[in-house]
Amino acid sequence: EDQVTQSPEALRLQEGESSSLNCSYTVSGLRGLFWYRQDPGKGPEFLFTLYSAGEEKEKERLKATLTKKESFLHITAPKPEDSATYLCAVIYGGATNKLIFGTGTLLAVQP
Amino acid sequence: DGGITQSPKYLFRKEGQNVTLSCEQNLNHDAMYWYRQDPGQGLRLIYYSQIVNDFQKGDIAEGYSVSREKKESFPLTVTSAQKNPTAFYLCASSVTYNEQFFGPGTRLTVL
Repeated sequence: EDQVTQSPEALRLQEGESSSLNCSYTVSGLRGLFWYRQDPGKGPEFLFTLYSAGEEKEKERLKATLTKKESFLHITAPKPEDSATYLCAVIYGGATNKLIFGTGTLLAVQP
Repeated sequence: DGGITQSPKYLFRKEGQNVTLSCEQNLNHDAMYWYRQDPGQGLRLIYYSQIVNDFQKGDIAEGYSVSREKKESFPLTVTSAQKNPTAFYLCASSVTYNEQFFGPGTRLTVL
Protein backbone atom coordinates (compact mmCIF):
# COMPACT_ATOMS: atom_id res chain seq x y z
CA GLU A 1 0.00 0.00 0.00
CA ASP A 2 1.24 3.47 -0.87
CA GLN A 3 1.83 5.39 2.31
CA VAL A 4 3.83 8.05 4.10
CA THR A 5 4.94 7.57 7.71
CA GLN A 6 6.35 10.27 9.93
CA SER A 7 8.29 9.78 13.14
CA PRO A 8 8.34 10.56 15.92
CA GLU A 9 4.71 11.57 16.45
CA ALA A 10 5.83 14.17 18.97
CA LEU A 11 9.20 15.63 19.92
CA ARG A 12 10.13 17.92 22.76
CA LEU A 13 13.44 19.77 22.54
CA GLN A 14 15.25 22.32 24.62
CA GLU A 15 16.12 25.55 22.85
CA GLY A 16 19.39 24.99 20.98
CA GLU A 17 19.09 21.19 21.00
CA SER A 18 19.37 20.02 17.38
CA SER A 19 17.42 17.01 16.10
CA SER A 20 15.85 15.42 13.03
CA LEU A 21 12.35 14.46 11.95
CA ASN A 22 11.81 11.49 9.67
CA CYS A 23 9.45 10.91 6.76
CA SER A 24 9.54 7.46 5.17
CA TYR A 25 7.53 6.57 2.09
CA THR A 26 6.54 3.46 0.18
CA VAL A 27 5.36 4.62 -3.22
CA SER A 28 6.28 3.78 -6.78
CA GLY A 29 7.71 6.46 -8.99
CA LEU A 30 8.27 9.32 -6.56
CA ARG A 31 7.87 12.64 -8.35
CA GLY A 32 8.33 14.98 -5.43
CA LEU A 33 8.40 15.18 -1.63
CA PHE A 34 7.14 18.24 0.20
CA TRP A 35 7.61 19.55 3.73
CA TYR A 36 5.11 21.87 5.38
CA ARG A 37 4.87 23.60 8.73
CA GLN A 38 1.45 23.93 10.38
CA ASP A 39 0.66 26.13 13.37
CA PRO A 40 -2.45 25.36 15.47
CA GLY A 41 -5.67 26.45 13.77
CA LYS A 42 -3.92 27.52 10.56
CA GLY A 43 -3.30 26.12 7.11
CA PRO A 44 0.00 24.37 6.31
CA GLU A 45 2.82 26.64 5.20
CA PHE A 46 5.02 25.33 2.39
CA LEU A 47 8.70 24.85 3.30
CA PHE A 48 10.55 22.68 0.76
CA THR A 49 10.24 20.51 -2.32
CA LEU A 50 12.71 17.67 -2.98
CA TYR A 51 12.69 15.81 -6.27
CA SER A 52 15.54 13.29 -6.29
CA ALA A 53 17.72 11.27 -3.92
CA GLY A 54 20.68 13.26 -2.68
CA GLU A 55 18.94 16.59 -2.97
CA GLU A 56 19.10 19.02 -0.04
CA LYS A 57 17.31 22.30 0.69
CA GLU A 58 17.91 24.79 3.51
CA LYS A 59 15.97 27.62 5.08
CA GLU A 60 17.19 29.31 8.23
CA ARG A 61 17.49 26.58 10.89
CA LEU A 62 15.85 23.91 8.73
CA LYS A 63 17.49 21.54 6.28
CA ALA A 64 15.64 18.87 4.31
CA THR A 65 17.32 15.86 2.71
CA LEU A 66 16.03 13.02 0.54
CA THR A 67 17.06 9.40 0.00
CA LYS A 68 15.33 6.70 -2.03
CA LYS A 69 13.21 5.65 0.93
CA GLU A 70 12.95 8.61 3.28
CA SER A 71 13.45 12.27 3.97
CA PHE A 72 14.81 14.02 7.01
CA LEU A 73 14.06 17.48 8.28
CA HIS A 74 17.04 18.59 10.36
CA ILE A 75 16.48 21.39 12.84
CA THR A 76 19.65 23.10 14.00
CA ALA A 77 19.67 25.06 17.27
CA PRO A 78 15.87 25.36 17.38
CA LYS A 79 14.06 28.29 18.97
CA PRO A 80 10.62 28.28 20.64
CA GLU A 81 9.13 29.86 17.50
CA ASP A 82 10.00 26.67 15.61
CA SER A 83 7.32 24.87 17.62
CA ALA A 84 4.69 23.56 15.20
CA THR A 85 3.49 20.41 13.47
CA TYR A 86 5.69 19.46 10.51
CA LEU A 87 3.97 17.61 7.69
CA CYS A 88 5.47 15.56 4.91
CA ALA A 89 3.69 14.72 1.63
CA VAL A 90 4.59 12.94 -1.59
CA ILE A 91 3.38 13.05 -5.16
CA TYR A 92 4.02 9.97 -7.23
CA GLY A 93 3.01 7.81 -10.13
CA GLY A 94 1.38 8.82 -13.37
CA ALA A 95 -0.83 11.69 -14.44
CA THR A 96 -2.19 12.89 -11.12
CA ASN A 97 -1.77 15.87 -8.84
CA LYS A 98 -2.71 13.96 -5.72
CA LEU A 99 -0.56 14.19 -2.61
CA ILE A 100 -0.35 11.63 0.18
CA PHE A 101 0.27 13.23 3.56
CA GLY A 102 1.85 11.79 6.66
CA THR A 103 0.20 12.44 10.02
CA GLY A 104 2.90 14.89 11.06
CA THR A 105 5.39 15.42 13.88
CA LEU A 106 4.40 17.80 16.65
CA LEU A 107 7.52 19.70 17.69
CA ALA A 108 7.70 21.61 20.96
CA VAL A 109 10.80 23.69 21.68
CA GLN A 110 11.13 24.82 25.25
CA PRO A 111 13.09 27.95 26.25
CA ASP B 1 -0.70 39.97 -2.52
CA GLY B 2 -1.27 36.62 -4.15
CA GLY B 3 -2.80 33.91 -2.06
CA ILE B 4 -5.70 31.69 -1.13
CA THR B 5 -8.63 32.87 0.93
CA GLN B 6 -11.23 30.75 2.68
CA SER B 7 -14.43 31.88 4.28
CA PRO B 8 -15.88 31.78 6.78
CA LYS B 9 -13.19 31.02 9.37
CA TYR B 10 -15.76 29.37 11.65
CA LEU B 11 -19.02 27.78 10.57
CA PHE B 12 -21.77 26.12 12.57
CA ARG B 13 -24.21 23.71 11.01
CA LYS B 14 -27.44 22.31 12.31
CA GLU B 15 -28.40 18.72 11.71
CA GLY B 16 -29.85 18.22 8.23
CA GLN B 17 -28.46 21.47 6.86
CA ASN B 18 -26.27 21.94 3.81
CA VAL B 19 -23.47 24.47 4.11
CA THR B 20 -21.02 25.87 1.56
CA LEU B 21 -17.40 26.72 2.22
CA SER B 22 -15.75 29.30 0.00
CA CYS B 23 -12.26 29.07 -1.51
CA GLU B 24 -10.74 31.71 -3.79
CA GLN B 25 -7.21 31.98 -5.20
CA ASN B 26 -5.44 34.68 -7.20
CA LEU B 27 -2.29 32.69 -7.90
CA ASN B 28 -3.43 31.76 -11.40
CA HIS B 29 -3.13 28.07 -10.47
CA ASP B 30 -4.95 25.52 -12.58
CA ALA B 31 -5.40 22.89 -9.87
CA MET B 32 -7.42 23.26 -6.66
CA TYR B 33 -8.11 20.84 -3.81
CA TRP B 34 -10.22 20.34 -0.71
CA TYR B 35 -8.91 18.46 2.31
CA ARG B 36 -10.36 17.50 5.64
CA GLN B 37 -8.17 17.41 8.76
CA ASP B 38 -9.16 15.58 11.94
CA PRO B 39 -7.10 15.32 15.12
CA GLY B 40 -4.46 12.60 14.90
CA GLN B 41 -5.06 12.00 11.20
CA GLY B 42 -3.29 13.20 8.12
CA LEU B 43 -4.94 15.46 5.61
CA ARG B 44 -7.51 13.52 3.60
CA LEU B 45 -8.45 14.55 0.08
CA ILE B 46 -12.14 15.24 -0.54
CA TYR B 47 -12.21 16.56 -4.11
CA TYR B 48 -9.76 18.04 -6.56
CA SER B 49 -9.95 19.91 -9.84
CA GLN B 50 -7.20 20.18 -12.42
CA ILE B 51 -9.06 22.48 -14.77
CA VAL B 52 -12.20 24.60 -14.95
CA ASN B 53 -15.45 22.66 -15.31
CA ASP B 54 -13.78 19.39 -14.31
CA PHE B 55 -13.24 17.76 -10.92
CA GLN B 56 -12.55 14.32 -9.45
CA LYS B 57 -13.47 12.58 -6.23
CA GLY B 58 -10.75 12.14 -3.67
CA ASP B 59 -10.56 9.53 -0.94
CA ILE B 60 -13.52 10.71 1.15
CA ALA B 61 -15.97 12.38 -1.27
CA GLU B 62 -19.19 10.91 0.14
CA GLY B 63 -21.46 13.60 1.54
CA TYR B 64 -19.61 16.44 -0.22
CA SER B 65 -20.05 18.24 -3.53
CA VAL B 66 -18.02 20.84 -5.45
CA SER B 67 -18.12 23.02 -8.53
CA ARG B 68 -15.41 24.68 -10.62
CA GLU B 69 -17.04 27.30 -12.81
CA LYS B 70 -14.17 29.76 -12.55
CA LYS B 71 -10.42 29.23 -12.35
CA GLU B 72 -10.24 31.30 -9.17
CA SER B 73 -13.01 29.61 -7.22
CA PHE B 74 -13.65 26.09 -5.90
CA PRO B 75 -16.53 26.04 -3.37
CA LEU B 76 -17.25 22.97 -1.26
CA THR B 77 -20.74 22.03 -0.10
CA VAL B 78 -21.09 19.81 2.93
CA THR B 79 -24.43 18.09 2.56
CA SER B 80 -26.71 16.54 5.15
CA ALA B 81 -25.52 13.14 3.87
CA GLN B 82 -22.14 13.73 5.53
CA LYS B 83 -22.70 12.09 8.90
CA ASN B 84 -19.64 13.40 10.72
CA PRO B 85 -18.83 16.81 9.23
CA THR B 86 -17.18 18.42 12.26
CA ALA B 87 -13.58 19.02 11.14
CA PHE B 88 -11.05 21.55 9.90
CA TYR B 89 -11.38 22.07 6.14
CA LEU B 90 -8.45 23.20 4.03
CA CYS B 91 -8.39 24.41 0.46
CA ALA B 92 -5.21 24.36 -1.62
CA SER B 93 -4.06 25.21 -5.12
CA SER B 94 -1.06 24.35 -7.25
CA VAL B 95 0.61 24.57 -10.59
CA THR B 96 0.21 21.10 -12.07
CA TYR B 97 2.37 18.44 -10.35
CA ASN B 98 4.03 20.91 -8.00
CA GLU B 99 3.79 21.95 -4.38
CA GLN B 100 0.34 22.90 -3.11
CA PHE B 101 -0.33 26.15 -1.29
CA PHE B 102 -2.97 26.20 1.41
CA GLY B 103 -5.57 28.63 2.62
CA PRO B 104 -6.13 29.48 6.30
CA GLY B 105 -8.88 26.89 6.76
CA THR B 106 -12.51 26.77 7.87
CA ARG B 107 -13.50 25.07 11.10
CA LEU B 108 -16.94 23.49 10.77
CA THR B 109 -18.89 22.42 13.85
CA VAL B 110 -22.19 20.58 13.90
CA LEU B 111 -24.54 21.76 16.60
